[in-house]
Amino acid sequence: EDQVTQSPEALRLQEGESSSLNCSYTVSGLRGLFWYRQDPGKGPEFLFTLYSAGEEKEKERLKATLTKKESFLHITAPKPEDSATYLCAVSGSSNTGKLIFGQGTTLQVKP
Amino acid sequence: DAGVIQSPRHEVTEMGQEVTLRCKPISGHNSLFWYRQTMMRGLELLIYFNNNVPIDDSGMPEDRFSAKMPNASFSTLKIQPSEPRDSAVYFCASTKAGQSSGANVLTFGAGSRLTVL
Repeated sequence: EDQVTQSPEALRLQEGESSSLNCSYTVSGLRGLFWYRQDPGKGPEFLFTLYSAGEEKEKERLKATLTKKESFLHITAPKPEDSATYLCAVSGSSNTGKLIFGQGTTLQVKP
Repeated sequence: DAGVIQSPRHEVTEMGQEVTLRCKPISGHNSLFWYRQTMMRGLELLIYFNNNVPIDDSGMPEDRFSAKMPNASFSTLKIQPSEPRDSAVYFCASTKAGQSSGANVLTFGAGSRLTVL
């Protein structure tokens, strides 16, 4: 059974204090690993897709990396506007677009 | 593009009442997903459709839940009768599935927050 576990559940950082979020996964035939951002009262918003171990993608202060067992979302010099819940999800070999999500990490960045 | 459109945004009802949530996917997308989000269980997949046909409804909690997709631009999720434990945010998402390589990005709607008293 496909499974995604995220840690920590919550993370509080000072502005400028870099850190990483972890996503561990088990999936049959990984087609893609996704990172989404969710703000309160809104739907998840797509950030990145990673397809194979060793791949990295960056967007502003965010960088996502992937190994065969886990993914990291590195946040460099975060700002208060980076505060949100970050969700990790995997798509398996069925190629239907179905995503299995982790519980998310809620990030709070204080000025 | 208006994105995935869900209605109502908020619904408050009493236990035993019927609830219908609606979703309009992005034009051209052929797969549609209904998810439920709670603090305890996170985002759970309830059911998904491909080309208007239900593919996997194993996540539907029980017979009180039903979903339909009568055409490519509209889907409903119905709960009858509703119970307090159904209180959650229900998300609809769509994508263009079936590409030969890679994985498909789901685009989510803003969600419908359901409160059952």
